[in-house]
Amino acid sequence: EDQVTQSPEALRLQEGESSSLNCSYTVSGLRGLFWYRQDPGKGPEFLFTLYSAGEEKEKERLKATLTKKESFLHITAPKPEDSATYLCAVQAFIQGAQKLVFGQGTRLTINP
Amino acid sequence: NAGVTQTPKFQVLKTGQSMTLQCAQDMNHEYMSWYRQDPGMGLRLIHYSVGAGITDQGEVPNGYNVSRSTTEDFPLRLLSAAPSQTSVYFCASSYRPGQGTSEQYFGPGTRLTVT
Repeated sequence: EDQVTQSPEALRLQEGESSSLNCSYTVSGLRGLFWYRQDPGKGPEFLFTLYSAGEEKEKERLKATLTKKESFLHITAPKPEDSATYLCAVQAFIQGAQKLVFGQGTRLTINP
Repeated sequence: NAGVTQTPKFQVLKTGQSMTLQCAQDMNHEYMSWYRQDPGMGLRLIHYSVGAGITDQGEVPNGYNVSRSTTEDFPLRLLSAAPSQTSVYFCASSYRPGQGTSEQYFGPGTRLTVT
C-alpha cells in the first residue's frame, strides 16, 4: 500500500534552534515529492518539489532533501513566523492516474 | 490571478440536506481535485478531474458527486449530508504532466459542519 509517514507529529523549538522534519514514503512509481506549508485556517501553500534522490532545494531558512525512501525538511535558525504545519506529499501513478498521497503533517512551533 | 477560489468559507448543514461546494481556478489548469482534511487523518482525495468532461473517484468518494463542464469550475456536491462529512474541504488545481510544473495549488478551504 502506498504510504507517506511524517515525523515527529509536533515539534517545539526555540528561535534560532535548527532541526529537521522527516517524511518517509513507500510508493511505487514515484513522480515527485512535494513539501507544503499550512497556516491555521488556510489552504496548503507550495514550498518545494523534489524529483530524484540526491536532489536538494532551498528557500530562505528551509532546505529540502530527498533519498530513495525519505525526505528531510531542514530548518536553519528558525523564526516565530516559521510556525506552521508542514505537509509532505508524494505524487505517484496509482490505478492508472497521477495522484498525490499526503502525510499527516508536522506541527512546528517556534518560541521567541 | 485570483488562483483557486472556494465558496462558501463556512457552512452548517442538518443531516440529510444537500449542498454544493464551489471551486474555480483562473490558471488554465487541467487537473483539479477535491480533498477533505480531518484531524489526525491528513488530506484525503475525494474526487479528481484530468480535464473538462472527465472525472474519477479518489480515496473517499462515497456521498459526494462531481462534474467538470468547464476548465475553470469543479463543484463538489453532497447528496445527503451526514455527520461523518463534517470536515474542512480543499479544492486544488495543477497542470497536467508535461504541460508545466506539477505542484498543486490549493484554495482557502470550506469548513463544513453537519449536525
